[in-house]
Amino acid sequence: NAGVTQTPKFRVLKTGQSMTLLCAQDMNHEYMYWYRQDPGMGLRLIHYSVGEGTTAKGEVPDGYNVSRLKKQNFLLGLESAAPSQTSVYFCASSVVWSGANVLTFGAGSRLTVL
Amino acid sequence: GQNIDQPTEMTATEGAIVQINCTYQTSGFNGLFWYQQHAGEAPTFLSYNVLDGLEEKGRFSSFLSRSKGYSYLLLKELQMKDSASYLCASMDSNYQLIWGAGTKLIIKP
Repeated sequence: NAGVTQTPKFRVLKTGQSMTLLCAQDMNHEYMYWYRQDPGMGLRLIHYSVGEGTTAKGEVPDGYNVSRLKKQNFLLGLESAAPSQTSVYFCASSVVWSGANVLTFGAGSRLTVL
Repeated sequence: GQNIDQPTEMTATEGAIVQINCTYQTSGFNGLFWYQQHAGEAPTFLSYNVLDGLEEKGRFSSFLSRSKGYSYLLLKELQMKDSASYLCASMDSNYQLIWGAGTKLIIKP
């Protein structure tokens, strides 16, 4: 099984450009998440989804949009990239196991906005 | 507010024991997680505690005290491959994870 796959792994954008990060999971998980990870800070939740066709805002949603048209895919869009969005982005999916919501992460996508 | 505190960096010697502490303050509590993250890689799940006490899993153990808002991860018989960041996360009343900034563990020979 591939687990959680993110594409692309690296991307450089100019300010104002748009792009979409793709996340796919093959574990039939209901929940999916997009996080960003910046130096000296904990993972911060951007948006999440509790099932196909549903999305919700996390801690830092501004400047991002998401879609979950199929259960296995969760897309993160940047409509007009800003240098503050330079970060490493992680997608994750989860299943509740013995009461715990255990996340499985993708390998990450490193985005630089110039 | 919600807050997770853990040391920024720790250094230990190969073969030794190290304890990484974490204190948390979240809106409600539904469990405490520890994840390992090697440089440039994804976080991977290590442990989950929801009841007070020590959970042992091989060389790694995790402890929780809900009354003190405190947890620690204990790593025994340290190996060079244990060099990584260790992330503490508390699950709040909405079952969302609040993450600490991580503790970078450096293992020296």
